[in-house]
Parts: sequence; structure tokens; C-alpha cells
Amino acid sequence: AQSVTQLDSQVPVFEEAPVELRCNYSSSVSVYLFWYVQYPNQGLQLLLKYLSGSTLVKGINGFEAEFNKSQTSFHLRKPSVHISDTAEYFCAFQGGSEKLVFGKGTKLTVNP
Amino acid sequence: GAVVSQHPSRVICKSGTSVKIECRSLDFQATTMFWYRQFPKQSLMLMATSNEGSKATYEQGVEKDKFLINHASLTLSTLTVTSAHPEDSSFYICSARTTGEAQYFGPGTRLTVL
Repeated sequence: AQSVTQLDSQVPVFEEAPVELRCNYSSSVSVYLFWYVQYPNQGLQLLLKYLSGSTLVKGINGFEAEFNKSQTSFHLRKPSVHISDTAEYFCAFQGGSEKLVFGKGTKLTVNP
Repeated sequence: GAVVSQHPSRVICKSGTSVKIECRSLDFQATTMFWYRQFPKQSLMLMATSNEGSKATYEQGVEKDKFLINHASLTLSTLTVTSAHPEDSSFYICSARTTGEAQYFGPGTRLTVL
């Protein structure tokens, strides 16, 4: 079965610290991978995507992610977070159909 | 680019009435649009997938007669919640995509049924 596992439901960090949000997927076919961010009472905003090519993907707001096929992972990283990065982050993949398979989300809280 | 709008952003209605939510892709033509529902502190649940000019494909457990989806053009899809009841209260989010691209999401519509 196809699935996405976001290993941490909540990640608290201090401002200017680095952060990594973990994402693993399970699929028998090739996938496209995405990270989305959701601020309270808003829709999802695309942070970055991996469709093909370089496995290191850079996105908006200083985020990047690396696709690791052997480990079936697509972890999201940022070297120095800001208070404004506090939000819910969703990892998702598309494989074999048009549908996105979402993880359950990771709530990132950046404390001063 | 890749902006998706939804209208209204918030709606309160009485039980038994119908509510229509619009989803528009503002700067691209969407071959496919999706409708999701999100419960508090949870991930998104796909309700249906629609392609322009054809009937929507509903996910298992979603009542097609209750959640009417119309995809009239490459930039507009509508979701009508018919005879709404309090249990239909939720956050509804649409997304749109072109072939080979990511899904871009609208800002969501908060529906409250009294």
C-alpha cells in the first residue's frame, strides 16, 4: 500500500536553530514528492517539489529537501528558522495516479 | 504564478440549506481539480477528483448526491454541499493542477452549519 510517514507530529525549536522534518514514503512505483506548509486557517502552500533530476531540491523561504531513493525518504531542512516558520508541514507524494498521498503533518513551533 | 482562489472564505448557513463553493485557477488552466476536506488538527482527506467537462470521481464513502461537483471550465470548479447538516461543518480546500505539475491549493473555505 502507498503511504507517507511523518515521523514527528510536533517539533519545537528555538529561533535561528536548524531544523529537519522527516518524511518517509512507501510506494511500488516511481513518485513525485512534495512538501507543503499550512498556516492557521489557510490552505496549503507549496514549499518545494521533486519531479526528477537533482535529488537536492531548494524551495521557498530557505527550505530544502533531499530525495533519497534507497531510504525512501524526503526530509525537509532549514539551516536557521524564524518565528514566522511556525506552521503545519505536510509531506506528500504522487505515484501511479493523479492523487496526492499525504502524511499526517508535523507541527513546527519556533520559540524565541 | 500558480494561484488558486476560493470563494467564499467563510460561510455560515442553516441546517437544510445548500452552499456553493467556487474554486478558480487564476493564472493557469487546470486539467484537474481536487476537493479536500480537513478536520481540526488532521491531514487533508480527498473527496473527489474532477476533470473539465467530465463527471467527478468520488472517493469511497463520499456521497456524490450530497457533494455535487461541477468542473465547467479549465479555470473553475464548484462544490455544492446540498441539504447541509452540522456534521458537514468543516474546512474545505480545493486544488488545481496541470499535467506533470504539482497541485496548487486554494486558501480554503470554512463551512459552519447551524
